[in-house]
Amino acid sequence: GAVVSQHPSWVICKSGTSVKIECRSLDFQATTMFWYRQFPKQSLMLMATSNEGSKATYEQGVEKDKFLINHASLTLSTLTVTSAHPEDSSFYICSARDNRAPYGYTFGSGTRLTVV
Amino acid sequence: AQSVTQLGSHVSVSEGALVLLRCNYSSSVPPYLFWYVQYPNQGLQLLLKYTTGATLVKGINGFEAEFKKSETSFHLTKPSAHMSDAAEYFCAVTLQQAGTALIFGKGTTLSVSS
Repeated sequence: GAVVSQHPSWVICKSGTSVKIECRSLDFQATTMFWYRQFPKQSLMLMATSNEGSKATYEQGVEKDKFLINHASLTLSTLTVTSAHPEDSSFYICSARDNRAPYGYTFGSGTRLTVV
Repeated sequence: AQSVTQLGSHVSVSEGALVLLRCNYSSSVPPYLFWYVQYPNQGLQLLLKYTTGATLVKGINGFEAEFKKSETSFHLTKPSAHMSDAAEYFCAVTLQQAGTALIFGKGTTLSVSS
């Protein structure tokens, strides 16, 4: 089955530094990937849609300059949280849409970001 | 815009009892509907999905859901709960347009007691 690898699974960083999260589709190509943010005991909030080779589409209210998304290949998308602050602490989850199965959405295992 | 509403943020059942998690959707066009399960600090695992065809969809771990257009519902059921079913469950919707993201409901926490 389709597998999405997300790294790191958890990270602690100092306020003001940047953190990069990787999302890889291991056995399929993904033209489109999605990034979600999840607060404790809450639902997944879509942050952005990432298309290979083009700029990401951000949801309203998501700061493009803070959450940089790059989708340089059909198997890799990255989310960089720039100048992180404690309020950016959250659980970030990526999802990749399998090109072979239009409605096959596979999720990574998530990244717990803690900014201190 | 499409959306889903999950009725009941927390459902508690006894082991062996029927599980019923409710999901209603809103969409201006026929939707595709999904149920996912999430265990603590983990990603999401697909339980089942409805795209086209049979409205009663069977998924993994004994779960099933029925798409009812007239009621705009997609409720998740399991005849007999198991302790391992305790988790967070999310209903999600997307448009019949490739490339669109899943939009999630707020989730329902399922507790199973022995």
